[in-house]
Amino acid sequence: ETGVTQTPRHLVMGMTNKKSLKCEQHLGHNAMYWYKQSAKKPLELMFVYSLEERVENNSVPSRFSPECPNSSHLFLHLHTLQPEDSALYLCASSSRIAGYEQYFGPGTRLTVT
Amino acid sequence: AQKVTQAQTEISVVEKEDVTLDCVYETRDTTYYLFWYKQPPSGELVFLIRRNSFDEQNEISGRYSWNFQKSTSSFNFTITASQVVDSAVYFCALSEARSSASKIIFGSGTRLSIRP
Repeated sequence: ETGVTQTPRHLVMGMTNKKSLKCEQHLGHNAMYWYKQSAKKPLELMFVYSLEERVENNSVPSRFSPECPNSSHLFLHLHTLQPEDSALYLCASSSRIAGYEQYFGPGTRLTVT
Repeated sequence: AQKVTQAQTEISVVEKEDVTLDCVYETRDTTYYLFWYKQPPSGELVFLIRRNSFDEQNEISGRYSWNFQKSTSSFNFTITASQVVDSAVYFCALSEARSSASKIIFGSGTRLSIRP
């Protein structure tokens, strides 16, 4: 595997379900990010992790819970979501040494029914 | 505050035409980075280029070229002889470049459609 991978690619869940999104980066980066992209809205930064510590939480509802067990893995745990949470969830990683640009995974298309 | 403006919401051109995507940014930092990303229909954002604030040299990569002008706070992207595969949403972005986990501020994107 190379780059940034995300699983699953598509997810349909009910409002009472609990699910997790997984992101893995194979680039040796030390920062990871979660973004939400809704239709016709700009990219929204949700969480930032640097060296496994959360450094930013952009007023995201508590029904989204991130976890970063090590510098290569990032999870987004989901519970009791709302239909408006349906969106494309993108993971990214970066490194100051690599030049600050963020490399993105393919995203998870989430539909909440 | 940092801000990136992509005034062109949608552009549609016929294949083989040249097209320029505009990007204007605002920042009070003297050191910053500018980026362009491409998002094809598959959804993944693909990194295209990084330019730091001290390097105003224009860059050309095949059919792609970028024009960075600090005097007008612009970082425009030109595709020469466009192709259908260039159809995507293109995002311009800005980073303060202060730490390992520097935030990137994205513009709202320009949807480019290339008609055969």
